[in-house]
Amino acid sequence: DAGVIQSPRHEVTEMGQEVTLRCKPISGHDYLFWYRQTMMRGLELLIYFNNNVPIDDSGMPEDRFSAKMPNASFSTLKIQPSEPRDSAVYFCASRGVSEETQYFGPGTRLLVL
Amino acid sequence: KQEVTQIPAALSVPEGENLVLNCSFTDSAIYNLQWFRQDPGKGLTSLLLIQSSQREQTSGRLNASLDKSSGRSTLYIAASQPGDSATYLCAVGTGGFKTIFGAGTRLFVKA
Repeated sequence: DAGVIQSPRHEVTEMGQEVTLRCKPISGHDYLFWYRQTMMRGLELLIYFNNNVPIDDSGMPEDRFSAKMPNASFSTLKIQPSEPRDSAVYFCASRGVSEETQYFGPGTRLLVL
Repeated sequence: KQEVTQIPAALSVPEGENLVLNCSFTDSAIYNLQWFRQDPGKGLTSLLLIQSSQREQTSGRLNASLDKSSGRSTLYIAASQPGDSATYLCAVGTGGFKTIFGAGTRLFVKA
């Protein structure tokens, strides 16, 4: 398996623009997680899904953030409108129900100007 | 609310030295504890996972211990190498498949 795949790897956009981050989990994994990493706040869980259903979105910072998982092999994290304080590295991770650990993607480095 | 703290924030050691990274957590009701490694520009890789009922885990030159009652874990790295240079994150597994991460210790091993 190629592991967790994220795209794009880097994104530079201007304030107010819509940003869509994409994730393909490891095949067969039932859980998918979205994290945000910044120097100030470290690694924070934004939302996670189980069998494509959002289970806990309490980490989503504002209504500007939304996440979907239309099928078992694809998820998106959308920011609309984007703001400079959204600049961070966004990670997607997945795990199987019988596994103890999560497998992380390489991350998307987002810069909002 | 569970909080995870790692000390020190950064560490620089000469090659060959043994070292200890520290992690503390505020709520002892944990499911498990993991140590991850993060290389610059990369995602996280799990190194060791300790179940709440266990005291330690070992993998090669790495040994992680867990003392739930005191809310502490340590990661021991023996005979450090330049290739060990990375950021090491401690992560506590809570109920509901959520994981709380510490801020990490940035390690630099000098050749």
